Amino acid sequence: DIQMTQSPSSLSASVGDRVTITCQTSEDISNYLNWYQQKRGEAPKVVIYGASSLQPGVPSRFSGSGSGTDFTLTISSLQPDDFATYYCQQSSDLPRTFGRGTTVDVK
Amino acid sequence: QVKLQESGPGLVKPSGTLSLTCSVSGASIDSSDLWSWVRQSPGKGLEWIADIYHSGDTNLSPSLKSRVTVSVDKSQNQFSLKLASVTAADTAVYFCARLMLDYDGLYYFDYWGQGILVTVSS
Repeated sequence: DIQMTQSPSSLSASVGDRVTITCQTSEDISNYLNWYQQKRGEAPKVVIYGASSLQPGVPSRFSGSGSGTDFTLTISSLQPDDFATYYCQQSSDLPRTFGRGTTVDVK
Repeated sequence: QVKLQESGPGLVKPSGTLSLTCSVSGASIDSSDLWSWVRQSPGKGLEWIADIYHSGDTNLSPSLKSRVTVSVDKSQNQFSLKLASVTAADTAVYFCARLMLDYDGLYYFDYWGQGILVTVSS
């Protein structure tokens, strides 16, 4: 199985902060990496797919980068609606695997 | 607007079989996309369980493969999950989702159901 290592596991930030979350995979997955946002009691929602493609309807303050084994999700200016847990997920191989999540909460 | 809705019992006895159905509206099960099940144990992360194609072909998680059955009912535009021999470790919120395949060959879960909590307890 492809292992997904997300860091940090949690972070505290303020509105307006630049936030960066990283995801490292145990093997080369090219750009087959997706990012999801999940709020408490809700289903996950895709924000970035294919490592860097912004899902339609997602604000442009979200961006993704990386290829191979190292990936980054960046929120350029954190907004109140962005406090949530973020998961990376690889779609390169079966089984489909997720990172353990990064919770972004209020500083 | 694509919508998915899980249904099924919220309580299953240990050693029993968990059975869930996902009803799809706004999209046809009989398409090139895959339809998937993902679960989330209380306070834990996300775990992929299975995919099913409209043809009925499946991809199954190796860790659950011996206990999982997935099926599709095109006439009802639904797909289903059965998980046999459940234990307390199978207590989780179960989500159904569409696994989108885009023109660049990228797969991602673009639509999700709201999730259904299934508790395994006597």
